[in-house]
Amino acid sequence: AQRVTQPEKLLSVFKGAPVELKCNYSYSGSPELFWYVQYSRQRLQLLLRHISRESIKGFTADLNKGETSFHLKKPFAQEEDSAMYYCALHPYGGATNKLIFGTGTLLAVQP
Amino acid sequence: SQTIHQWPATLVQPVGSPLSLECTVEGTSNPNLYWYRQAAGRGLQLLFYSVGIGQISSEVPQNLSASRPQDRQFILSSKKLLLSDSGFYLCAWRIAGGWSPLHFGNGTRLTVT
Repeated sequence: AQRVTQPEKLLSVFKGAPVELKCNYSYSGSPELFWYVQYSRQRLQLLLRHISRESIKGFTADLNKGETSFHLKKPFAQEEDSAMYYCALHPYGGATNKLIFGTGTLLAVQP
Repeated sequence: SQTIHQWPATLVQPVGSPLSLECTVEGTSNPNLYWYRQAAGRGLQLLFYSVGIGQISSEVPQNLSASRPQDRQFILSSKKLLLSDSGFYLCAWRIAGGWSPLHFGNGTRLTVT
């Protein structure tokens, strides 16, 4: 079954500390993986996708197929990073058009 | 540029009343359209998706239904609301084909009393 697991409901760190939001997936094929973010009073929006291999707002995420993980990392957290983060999986293949989301992790960056 | 509109922003309805939430997309043709429900601790649950006019796929059995009467219009409905239908509903679209990301609306907070 296709599944995305985010084991932490809440992650609290201090400003300037490193951040790692965990995401593991279950899928037998080649997935496309995304991180979405929802800041307070804003709509859910795309943060980054693994295929782009880019850094957005200082965040990076590397797809590890061996560990079936796509953890989101940032070396120095900022208060404005506080938000709800969702990891999402798009299974490869034309038969499906679904994105499967994890349960989300609330990141709270303390001053 | 493409935009997505979802309304109403909030809705309070009594149990047993009907529901109609509307979502429209501008600036693109033949998008894939989605209805999600966002619940605390349960993340984003896909309810329905559509790849074309009149084509609806249901992900979970429930008291809700969806329709796509026009290319860029997606409607979430219920004939009789249940208390358990309360939640935050999100409409989203993406470009058909490939691995394009989802673009979400602002959501509707539905409270069934």
